[in-house]
Amino acid sequence: GAVVSQHPSWVICKSGTSVKIECRSLDFQATTMFWYRQFPKQSLMLMATSNEGSKATYEQGVEKDKFLINHASLTLSTLTVTSAHPEDSSFYICSARNLAGGAYEQYFGPGTRLTVT
Amino acid sequence: RKEVEQDPGPFNVPEGATVAFNCTYSNSASQSFFWYRQDCRKEPKLLMSVYSSGNEDGRFTAQLNRASQYISLLIRDSKLSDSATYLCVVNRRGGGNKLTFGTGTQLKVEL
Repeated sequence: GAVVSQHPSWVICKSGTSVKIECRSLDFQATTMFWYRQFPKQSLMLMATSNEGSKATYEQGVEKDKFLINHASLTLSTLTVTSAHPEDSSFYICSARNLAGGAYEQYFGPGTRLTVT
Repeated sequence: RKEVEQDPGPFNVPEGATVAFNCTYSNSASQSFFWYRQDCRKEPKLLMSVYSSGNEDGRFTAQLNRASQYISLLIRDSKLSDSATYLCVVNRRGGGNKLTFGTGTQLKVEL
């Protein structure tokens, strides 16, 4: 199946700093990538849809100025958590849709566990 | 009402048991349905898509009832390695590629 990687796997940072998370599709091209967040014992919540070459579309309640998304190529999307606070500590997961695959099938990265102290 | 609802469990079953999970969704316009599996502290992985006619993949059988907006997953001859959280997933209101996840049903298979 299609492979999606994320980097870093986990990160611990101090409050007020910014953290960048990378999401790469390794063996396919993805015009669209999705960023999710999952808090303990909760479901994945879609944060934003990342479109190659255009601005990301954010879900209601997600601050676009705090969660900066850049999708500069067909294989890379980045999420930057700016001025991180402890409440931003979560499991961030990206997914990518394979252009050659089914219309609604998405492949998930392994996730990035962010802890803000 | 949540868009996708699941019984969170946990369901503790002995190895070899048959277990079924249910899921209901609220948006009648939803078009695509999936079961994902998520292990502790890992990303979700696609288990199987769910088709109107029902489909089977080895020990796993998925059923869809559009009239009742109900999806099910049946696991036969459960293995210890089946222990995980099973996520019911539908495409979002308005269609497109946005997925809505249920909170998941936790399964624990025991000796």
